[in-house]
Amino acid sequence: DVKVTQSSRYLVKRTGEKVFLECVQDMDHENMFWYRQDPGLGLRLIYFSYDVKMKEKGDIPEGYSVSREKKERFSLILESASTNQTSMYLCASRGGLSNYGYTFGSGTRLTVV
Amino acid sequence: GQQVMQIPQYQHVQEGEDFTTYCNSSTTLSNIQWYKQRPGGHPVFLIQLVKSGEVKKQKRLTFQFGEAKKNSSLHITATQTTDVGTYFCAGQRGNYQLIWGAGTKLIIKP
Repeated sequence: DVKVTQSSRYLVKRTGEKVFLECVQDMDHENMFWYRQDPGLGLRLIYFSYDVKMKEKGDIPEGYSVSREKKERFSLILESASTNQTSMYLCASRGGLSNYGYTFGSGTRLTVV
Repeated sequence: GQQVMQIPQYQHVQEGEDFTTYCNSSTTLSNIQWYKQRPGGHPVFLIQLVKSGEVKKQKRLTFQFGEAKKNSSLHITATQTTDVGTYFCAGQRGNYQLIWGAGTKLIIKP
């Protein structure tokens, strides 16, 4: 089974801190995604990457950046955390030619105080 | 922009009753996927539908993709407590992205 591992399950950070959320997948998938999930707003795409060093903005990229230096790792960076970035962050991956859907990590619940 | 509307937002059922959630897209979809998210969990892929009019079954779950490839439904027969969670549809956008419905939360009445 594909495994997508997110480094932290829960995280509490202070306003203005730089925050790194890490995601690693073990199935050589080309495509990786970062979402945030908020009650009533569903899943919103922040950034995605279809190859190493490649990145594309999703629907809500403001306040975030990403890094994909290796195929298996996709990092989400909050340059200066704000309280409105308190959310559940979900990483997902998918193979390029797969008929299967996305495989999600367990999520990181980030609280910015 | 492209949207996928999913209804209802919530559905309360007695255990043993059926459950249905519907998705409608403003544009034709190349495929549609369905996911289940248990309370406190993450979305888990259930199935992908690709062909116009396609119907697929997984035990008590029946998935349909409309003839025009703009709508889809998930029907669960005789719900069980293990079915509790939120069901999401997601339509393919371009080569990489999905457009997500808002989800339907299945709640079993005590």
